[in-house]
Amino acid sequence: KQEVTQIPAALSVPEGENLVLNCSFTDSAIYNLQWFRQDPGKGLTSLLLIQSSQREQTSGRLNASLDKSSGRSTLYIAASQPGDSATYLCAVDNQAGTALIFGKGTTLSVSS
Amino acid sequence: DTGVSQNPRHKITKRGQNVTFRCDPISEHNRLYWYRQTLGQGPEFLTYFQNEAQLEKSRLLSDRFSAERPKGSFSTLEIQRTEQGDSAMYLCASSLGPSPNEQFFGPGTRLTVL
Repeated sequence: KQEVTQIPAALSVPEGENLVLNCSFTDSAIYNLQWFRQDPGKGLTSLLLIQSSQREQTSGRLNASLDKSSGRSTLYIAASQPGDSATYLCAVDNQAGTALIFGKGTTLSVSS
Repeated sequence: DTGVSQNPRHKITKRGQNVTFRCDPISEHNRLYWYRQTLGQGPEFLTYFQNEAQLEKSRLLSDRFSAERPKGSFSTLEIQRTEQGDSAMYLCASSLGPSPNEQFFGPGTRLTVL
């Protein structure tokens, strides 16, 4: 059974700091890995999707890497801003390539 | 704005009542998913449609839950005889499929069962 773990559960940093969020998964037979952002009481916003054949994806200040063989992904946020404060969720496709299996998320707080 | 819409955004009901939620996916997306999220947890998969066919259901989808997607467009999720444990955020997502199958989520429906 696929399990997704995100470390740390919470993170507080001052504005301007670069930071890394971690995601690990137990079964390396995945199709895709997606990173999402969720603001309190809201739905999920897709940030980046990495296909199993890819090693990384970049969007603006965000960079996500995937090491499928070791079951790990990292989300790197450069020059953090207070507006980055949210919960970041990592999810992988199960073996059928349909449902997403989520971690519990990392709640990020960036202070000005 | 991802283009996935859900109604209602909030629903408060008494235990034992039936509730129905609606999801309108991004228009060209043929895949539609329902997830449930409780406080402090990541979303958990409930069910998945490809066009009008319900192809996968989670063990979480008890007999009191039913989902439909008539004509492969909008979808409804009905919960019969609601219980306090059904209180959660119900999220809908859609994707174009089959690859890379990026899923886009709606704003969710917050259900509170008193």
